[in-house]
Parts: sequence; C-alpha cells; structure tokens
Amino acid sequence: QKEVEQNSGPLSVPEGAIASLNCTYSDRGSQSFFWYRQYSGKSPELIMSIYSNGDKEDGRFTAQLNKASQYVSLLIRDSQPSDSATYLCAVEGTGGFKTIFGAGTRLFVKA
Amino acid sequence: GAGVSQSPSNKVTEKGKDVELRCDPISGHTALYWYRQSLGQGLEFLIYFQGNSAPDKSGLPSDRFSAERTGGSVSTLTIQRTQQEDSAVYLCASSGTFNTGELFFGEGSRLTVL
Repeated sequence: QKEVEQNSGPLSVPEGAIASLNCTYSDRGSQSFFWYRQYSGKSPELIMSIYSNGDKEDGRFTAQLNKASQYVSLLIRDSQPSDSATYLCAVEGTGGFKTIFGAGTRLFVKA
Repeated sequence: GAGVSQSPSNKVTEKGKDVELRCDPISGHTALYWYRQSLGQGLEFLIYFQGNSAPDKSGLPSDRFSAERTGGSVSTLTIQRTQQEDSAVYLCASSGTFNTGELFFGEGSRLTVL
C-alpha cells in the first residue's frame, strides 16, 4: 500500500463547478496534511494546510480532514480554467516528520 | 534571497559522469528536503535534513546518491556514475522550525543523462 494515495485523474469539470479531490494515507499517527498545486513545468506551491478534523476554508478552497477514515479532500468552488493543474496531497509522517506526497490528481477546468 | 535557490537549472551529462546539484534554502529555515520528479510522475522523497539531527536518507535510491548540508544551510546532492534512469527534475524544498510540513520549493534542477 502506498503511503499517500490519490486518483491520478484526469478530473475534468466545467467552469463554475465544484472540483472534488481526494486523498487517503496509511500512517494513522500523521497529524499534518497539505495540498499543493503544481502547474505544468513549475514547482509545487502550498495552497492549504489542515491539522484538525473537519473543514478549513480559504477563499474558494476547502480542505476536509477525517483522521478516523485517514482521508483528506480538497474542494474547489467556482472552478476556473486557471485552476487547471496537478494537485498533490502531502502528509507529514510520525517519527521523523518527513513529508510524503501522493502522485497527484490532474484537474482540467473547461471554459 | 527570498526563496529557495537551486543550481544548475539544467544539467546535461553523459552516462557514468558524476553530478552535483546545489540548494540554498530560505534563510532561517531549519528543514531541507530533496525530492525527485520524473516526467509525469509524483514527487519521490530522497532525503530530509532537520537542524542538527541525523538526516533521513531512507529515500535515496542507491548508494550512488548522497547529500550533505553544510552549516545547516546550503545542501548539495551528488549523483555518482549517473545512469539514464537518473534523468528527472530534482526539487529542493525548505521549511521553518514550526509548521515543518509547509514546504517552499525551488525551481528545480533538470538533469538529463545521455
């Protein structure tokens, strides 16, 4: 089992729709969770961090965490073509705290 | 500088040669990571430095790969006797003492082994 799993996609949504990206992780002791966005040919950039169960909202982005289910998600409301990118889920592990990334989900927002 | 700086941005080498990739993290950041990203793939963890602790080398793919971090700042990733499968973008990231998982990435070093 991979430590951090994501559906590779591509996920295609129309402009203005809600994009839902999902991630599961294997280290039950993990406490810190992150979403990074990576445009083609660019480096990843942090867009959301979440540390507690529940929802965390920042503008059009909402991160959701369920530690019991070992599940993290990212919702993008009112999706825009500029949101088209690969979204990487990252988990900071226990006992050393190295951050492990999922393979990423490619999102296409159609105008 | 304001961000993570990596050099060279591009490196083309012949199979069997050694290469060194450099990373200068954000000033004051105690954690430094190296990742590798092959075309169309995710980020593969290589090595993690945190302050003065022993580095976590668990991701290094073979003994041809090594990394050091001098003075708690600049890091060098060395690949000896390069192979074609080493071709990838090597990304360096740093983070502060708190919120250690909030990584700031450099622009990467693209390595091509002919």
